[in-house]
This record gives sequence, C-alpha cells and structure tokens, in this order.
Amino acid sequence: GQNIDQPTEMTATEGAIVQINCTYQTSGFNGLFWYQQHAGEAPTFLSYNVLDGLEEKGRFSSFLSRSKGYSYLLLKELQMKDSASYLCACTDSNYQLIWGAGTKLIIKP
Amino acid sequence: IAGITQAPTSQILAAGRRMTLRCTQDMRHNAMYWYRQDLGLGLRLIHYSNTAGTTGKGEVPDGYSVSRANTDDFPLTLASAVPSQTSVYFCASSAGQAETDTQYFGPGTRLTVL
Repeated sequence: GQNIDQPTEMTATEGAIVQINCTYQTSGFNGLFWYQQHAGEAPTFLSYNVLDGLEEKGRFSSFLSRSKGYSYLLLKELQMKDSASYLCACTDSNYQLIWGAGTKLIIKP
Repeated sequence: IAGITQAPTSQILAAGRRMTLRCTQDMRHNAMYWYRQDLGLGLRLIHYSNTAGTTGKGEVPDGYSVSRANTDDFPLTLASAVPSQTSVYFCASSAGQAETDTQYFGPGTRLTVL
C-alpha cells in the first residue's frame, strides 16, 4: 500500500529547535515535499528533496533518506509565527501527490 | 488577480443540490488540482488536470466532476451534494508535473452540506 505517517502534534519552546519526522511508503516515489499551513489558511511550499541528504534554507532544513523511506523537517530558532501544521507529501504510483495528515506544531513562550 | 483564487469562500448547501466551486489562476500553469481537507486526514486529491483539455481522477473522485476548457479555470461540480462532502476544498496549480513542481494553493472553500 501507499501511506505517509507523521506525528499528529508536537510542542516546542520559542527559540528552540524542533524536528518533525515523516515516513513514507509509496511505489512511485520521486521526491518529498514539505508544506506549512497556518490555521484557516492554504498550504504554502517549504522544501522539496529528491536526493538523499540535508538541504538548508534559512531557519528551515529538510532531510531525506530514500533507502529508509524517511524525511524530517528541522526548524531552528523557533518563533511564535512558526506555530502551524507541517505537511509532508510525496508522489504515488499515478505521479500525483499523497499527503500526510500533518503535524500541528505548538510553540510556547 | 494575483495567483490562484477560489469562489465562494464558504457555502452552506442543502443535500441533493448541485454546486460548482470555481477556481482561477493567472500564472499560466499547466497543471491544476482539487483537494479536500478533513480534520485528521491529509489532503486528498479529487481530480486533476495536467493540461487544458485533459482531466484525471484522484483518490476520491466519486460524486465530483471537473472540466478544463482553458488554462486558467478549473471548476469542480458536485452533482448532488451529500453531507459527507462537507469539507474544506482547495484548488492548486503547478507549472509542470505534480511529482517535481511546487503546487500553489488557493485560499480554500469551506463547504457545509446539511
């Protein structure tokens, strides 16, 4: 089957670092996306990984291991505005995206 | 228009009624998508279109239809709404194929079917 798993909710402290994990199982993998979605708003693109390794983009980094079916999103120097849901997605056998249910990140002062 | 727009923003609909959700993009993107998002579930693809004139079924197409007469517009029609279609509907577009290209989302339509 095809599925994507990520934790439902995480809590972190302002200024800290948090790692959001995503595991996937799909027959048509061609890269993994991370999106951010604030409550009541549309998802917005954060990152795309197709090769193994870590890609850094400012305070956000994303890692991919294709052999392990695993990715994580690393958020550094957390700010209150980072409170949001983080969605991972990758392609299925029909070359369309399948999405995890999202990880709700709660930032506390 | 800047980006991708959806209408209406929200709607309450009686079961059995027909409803069309509108989606327009001005980015000249080839591909467009309709998703529904329900609490505790990931975004689920309803229908997609890789280019004007073509459409395809996603994960949950039953009860929905789409058309892609031109590049900019991708309406979603519920022929006879049922309560299980209560959801938030997002339209999205990408320059190229879904597996590699960033998808840009509209603001969503919150639909309640009573």
